[in-house]
Amino acid sequence: EAQVTQNPRYLITVTGKKLTVTCSQNMNHEYMSWYRQDPGLGLRQIYYSMNVEVTDKGDVPEGYKVSRKEKRNFPLILESPSPNQTSLYFCASSETENTEAFFGQGTRLTVV
Amino acid sequence: AQSVTQPDIHITVSEGASLELRCNYSYGATPYLFWYVQSPGQGLQLLLKYFSGDTLVQGIKGFEAEFKRSQSSFNLRKPSVHWSDAAEYFCARNSGGYQKVTFGTGTKLQVIP
Repeated sequence: EAQVTQNPRYLITVTGKKLTVTCSQNMNHEYMSWYRQDPGLGLRQIYYSMNVEVTDKGDVPEGYKVSRKEKRNFPLILESPSPNQTSLYFCASSETENTEAFFGQGTRLTVV
Repeated sequence: AQSVTQPDIHITVSEGASLELRCNYSYGATPYLFWYVQSPGQGLQLLLKYFSGDTLVQGIKGFEAEFKRSQSSFNLRKPSVHWSDAAEYFCARNSGGYQKVTFGTGTKLQVIP
């Protein structure tokens, strides 16, 4: 089954404690993205990756890092989380940036 | 920078009534336009997309959307809404040459009996 898998689904952490949210896709897609969803703001792109070892900033990259060492995986790293990063995060993959995106189930992150 | 505007934050319709959700995009060459639906607690699912060709696009679940370049709009429609259509709907765009994808702020649809 074609899917995008994010882990964990829920996470509560404390300010400053590094964390990683994993994302994996099994569709051999080249384009992968991370979004955060906040009430009234819709989805905002954090980072995207056009292919292995090719990543770039989206609209809200501050406080986040990503890596794309393998085609299937695109982890999101928060080196020093802060409360304003409390949000619902989605990973998505697609063949290109112009084709249908397949979304993971989301990760609800709370930073206290 | 490219942008997407969904002017209606919340819409309530009666079951069986028609629906139109508005989406306006910033001017740009060859927009790639999408509508996604998000059910409570779920990720997003593609309803339909427009790249080129026929400006009236059919999607899943009985939805359709019409691309109007002169109005920079890509409104989503459904002739008869079902209670299961209650969800949040997002319009999104990209365009050739831009690698970012931009989403609107979403429209939450409530369906009343």
